[in-house]
Amino acid sequence: QVQLVESGGGLVKPGGSLRLSCAASGFTFSDYYMSWIRQAPGKGLEWVSYISSSGSTMYYVDSVKGRFTISRDNAKNSLYLQMNSLRAEDTAVYYCARPGWLPDYWGQGTLVTVSS
Amino acid sequence: QPVLTQSSSASASLGSSVKLTCTLSRGHSSYIIAWHQQQPGKAPRYLMKLEGSGSYNKGSGVPDRFSGSSSGADRYLTISNLQFEDEADYYCETWDRNTLVVFGGGTKLTVL
Repeated sequence: QVQLVESGGGLVKPGGSLRLSCAASGFTFSDYYMSWIRQAPGKGLEWVSYISSSGSTMYYVDSVKGRFTISRDNAKNSLYLQMNSLRAEDTAVYYCARPGWLPDYWGQGTLVTVSS
Repeated sequence: QPVLTQSSSASASLGSSVKLTCTLSRGHSSYIIAWHQQQPGKAPRYLMKLEGSGSYNKGSGVPDRFSGSSSGADRYLTISNLQFEDEADYYCETWDRNTLVVFGGGTKLTVL
């Protein structure tokens, strides 16, 4: 069965960095676009980024452009989100999802808290 | 760019039916959407993709009580024979090559 397991969340100070990972299993990872979607505490869902199946094309929501980088390692069936220059408003649960849009599978999420 | 509008809340009695609405903005009435369910404290769960024609494709394990339909710019999620476990937030989502992925604000469903 399809499984997506995120890791790497935690508490980080404003301006700091964090790298999230998503381990995929149960499907041919290299066939699918993948995405990151986040949810701030008590708020709705917000798409963050998605990446093409080969990793050659990436898209981002405007609020994270220049600060976040999505990547993948198809040999390791893994998706990543490198987050730099973190701000308080980046505090959220971050979900990995398949595929890039209209996802049919979601991970359980990892919490990122940006606070001094 | 597409905007998805959802009512903030809805309620219905145990065992009854409820119809949730997601409205696409002008000029985007043909767009395909997805419905996702998020039970309290849990990750979202994909329910279905829904086309403008009313044709829908449900996710694995989604009960038959969940169905979709469309009328113009409106996309509906109908839940029949409501159960307490259906109490959740429901989000619609669409995609556009220019604006990429867009979510509606979500509807909080209360089962009375």
